[in-house]
Amino acid sequence: DGGITQSPKYLFRKEGQNVTLSCEQNLNHDAMYWYRQDPGQGLRLIYYSQIVNDFQKGDIAEGYSVSREKKESFPLTVTSAQKNPTAFYLCASSPDRAYSNQPQHFGDGTRLSIL
Amino acid sequence: SQQGEEDPQALSIQEGENATMNCSYKTSINNLQWYRQNSGRGLVHLILIRSNEREKHSGRLRVTLDTSKKSSSLLITASRAADTASYFCATEPLFFGGGSNYKLTFGKGTLLTVNP
Repeated sequence: DGGITQSPKYLFRKEGQNVTLSCEQNLNHDAMYWYRQDPGQGLRLIYYSQIVNDFQKGDIAEGYSVSREKKESFPLTVTSAQKNPTAFYLCASSPDRAYSNQPQHFGDGTRLSIL
Repeated sequence: SQQGEEDPQALSIQEGENATMNCSYKTSINNLQWYRQNSGRGLVHLILIRSNEREKHSGRLRVTLDTSKKSSSLLITASRAADTASYFCATEPLFFGGGSNYKLTFGKGTLLTVNP
């Protein structure tokens, strides 16, 4: 059954600590995305990757870092520089742009809180 | 900045009634997409409508797009309690002269509550 798996479902961060959120997909999609969602708000794009070993900053990249070493995986690190990390984080993927007008597929999210 | 803005922010109806949500956007688009989000879960894609389409149906869902007014509406007919969720519109911008863009811009959503 194809889909996107995010882990963990809940994560707690201590002051000054970096934490990494996992995102794995078996949909054979080229593009992957990370979004942040605050209560009652829409999604804001953090980083996106169109292809392996390449990624671009989204609208709110400060305090976050990513890597894309494998097509299936796009982990997000929330660094200590992100002063307000409490939010719901969503990972998504979509097919290559050659297949135009394709929707994004989402994981079930990771809720990050500060201890 | 938010490209799409949904209206209303919240909507409460009785089971069996129809629910209409609206979305306005600012720039030229390649397509507009509607997603649903149950509380604490990820987004689920509902319908994608291309800029050259005016109306699209999927089951109890009907989406319209008016590019001259830069607006779209989502109609859910004969609503059920299970339709209770947040609904988001997202726009994919149109890029002239080629070049790819994977970025969607989401609105803040409409929270729909369907009472049994």
